Amino acid sequence: ETGVTQSPTHLIKTRGQQVTLRCSSQSGHNTVSWYQQALGQGPQFIFQYYREEENGRGNFPPRFSGLQFPNYSSELNVNALELDDSALYLCASSLTGTTNEKLFFGSGTQLSVL
Amino acid sequence: AQSVTQLGSHVSVSEGALVLLRCNYSSSVPPYLFWYVQYPNQGLQLLLKYTSAATLVKGINGFEAEFKKSETSFHLTKPSAHMSDAAEYFCAVSGSRGDQKLVFGTGTRLLVSP
Repeated sequence: ETGVTQSPTHLIKTRGQQVTLRCSSQSGHNTVSWYQQALGQGPQFIFQYYREEENGRGNFPPRFSGLQFPNYSSELNVNALELDDSALYLCASSLTGTTNEKLFFGSGTQLSVL
Repeated sequence: AQSVTQLGSHVSVSEGALVLLRCNYSSSVPPYLFWYVQYPNQGLQLLLKYTSAATLVKGINGFEAEFKKSETSFHLTKPSAHMSDAAEYFCAVSGSRGDQKLVFGTGTRLLVSP
């Protein structure tokens, strides 16, 4: 149990729709990262938020956006869904600024786009 | 830029046998290397990490990995496999200590037979 919770666990959308995925970080963590894991692939870095500001972005289009709230919970928003967006979306929290930074992953949200 | 290559999408061993999962990295800067494990319907859990302090790194659940710069490798081993080790294993790399923007390999599924 990592203390990182994601909701919903499963979601089905149709092409062109918008989706919001949520993540509750482990208590005390100030950084959240989002990863996309397509079937049979390793996770790919989408972006990271530190103290409510975007702190790095991977090779994902602008229709992938995020938010981090004052309580360090986070959202991942995807607009204009495409079939290739079907994947497991993983949220990971960490505490930036310590000597032993470590990512704690949630169990993910499985998104299916039809 | 950093990348990792995991050799073998599936590895099968018998219970009690040696586990060897291979990972080779490419990095333009001294790498920080990680091994994560993913059980079905769960997020990723850190097994161990290399941060240049020691080339032989011991992790949880009896796993260890050795950093070999000359071979650009960071293979994961365990002397004796247990049924509970059956899972997906991911090697990952980042470019600096504390950098949580990890680049993952495609994963190796470990199958353990009785």
